[in-house]
Amino acid sequence: QVQLQESGPGLVKPSETLTLTCTVSSGSMSNKYWNWIRQSPGKGLEWIGYVFYTGTTHYNPSLESRVTISVDPSKNQFSLELTSVTAADTAVYYCARADIEPTLRYFDYWGQGTLVTVSS
Amino acid sequence: EIVLTQSPDTLSLSPGESATLSCRASQSVGSKYLAWYQQKPGQAPRLLMYGASIRATGIPDRFSGSGSGTDFTLTISRLEPEDFAVYYCQHYGRSLPWTFGQGTKVEI
Repeated sequence: QVQLQESGPGLVKPSETLTLTCTVSSGSMSNKYWNWIRQSPGKGLEWIGYVFYTGTTHYNPSLESRVTISVDPSKNQFSLELTSVTAADTAVYYCARADIEPTLRYFDYWGQGTLVTVSS
Repeated sequence: EIVLTQSPDTLSLSPGESATLSCRASQSVGSKYLAWYQQKPGQAPRLLMYGASIRATGIPDRFSGSGSGTDFTLTISRLEPEDFAVYYCQHYGRSLPWTFGQGTKVEI
């Protein structure tokens, strides 16, 4: 059973960089897309982007200028960096897995989510 | 960007009744690239359906999905107490970014 676990600071100051890590247990990172998704309080879900296990990335255009997602297969981890954060970036951040097969690219495994609050 | 619009925003029903949730896409997502998720308070979304009509592992058969192109439906027959939650549709086709609907809350 694949498990994903987010980790990182729960509080980030405005204009600083939000950094989160997702650790993947019980499975290889090969041949999967590793995603970050966020959910603002009381709102819906927003896909941030993914990283392939080779390091190839794709980001949501709405965040592309501020986002970097990286992967370290040797540690079974992938990470999110979001720069110049504002209160609008306050959200629960989830990591999730998707298959590379186009018809199977739904999010089948999710982390429990971690709340990040942007405040001074 | 494909915009997914779900209706209604809220569905008020009783256990034992059936729920019909709609998801409409701003452009075609085909029949294979639409998923539904269930989210309960304080929990991550859980995959219910993929390929519009295929139940994920462990999902009871009272959940069914249909549709193709731009119009999709999730039906929950014989609502159980544990089915009261928020439901999201999501497209995962070749057209990025992947997007979610705004959600439908099924409440008692």
